[in-house]
Amino acid sequence: NAGVTQTPKFQVLKTGQSMTLQCAQDMNHNSMYWYRQDPGMGLRLIYYSASEGTTDKGEVPNGYNVSRLNKREFSLRLESAAPSQTSVYFCASQTSGMYNEQFFGPGTRLTVL
Amino acid sequence: KNEVEQSPQNLTAQEGEFITINCSYSVGISALHWLQQHPGGGIVSLFMLSSGKKKHGRLIATINIQEKHSSLHITASHPRDSAVYICAGIPNTGNQFYFGTGTSLTVIP
Repeated sequence: NAGVTQTPKFQVLKTGQSMTLQCAQDMNHNSMYWYRQDPGMGLRLIYYSASEGTTDKGEVPNGYNVSRLNKREFSLRLESAAPSQTSVYFCASQTSGMYNEQFFGPGTRLTVL
Repeated sequence: KNEVEQSPQNLTAQEGEFITINCSYSVGISALHWLQQHPGGGIVSLFMLSSGKKKHGRLIATINIQEKHSSLHITASHPRDSAVYICAGIPNTGNQFYFGTGTSLTVIP
């Protein structure tokens, strides 16, 4: 099992460009998440999807859109990148049950010039 | 506002030392997740615990739900333990974990 995979690993964009970060999981989890991690700020939730076909905003959704394409895939789109979106992006999926555990992808390091 | 606070923020230790990282939280949680992130690396789960203590190799995690506090201990620390350690509260309801900002540990040979 690959667990949670993300592409690309690194990306450099110019201000105003768009891109989509891809995430897939093979653990049959219902819930998936997109986080950004900035120095000194910890992980902040951008969007999450509790199940296929549903998405909800997290703490910092502005400037982002998401698509839950199917149970496996959850993509994050930057329509018009800004330097403030320079960050490391992590996708995660979560088990269901009494105590939920999250499994993280390897991350995408994005720089917006 | 920080629902989860970690201390210390940064920690440097000599190889072999016993290390403690603390996590306090102010919200209702059902369990707590300890995560490890190596420099430039991904995030991996170390422990998830809802009560008492769990041990895995040289790592021990404890939680006191009434006092809203958890600790991560590393015995006989080694340079390969150098990483950022993150605690995350798993909410009683809802889907959004509460993450601490992490403790950066450096173990010097």
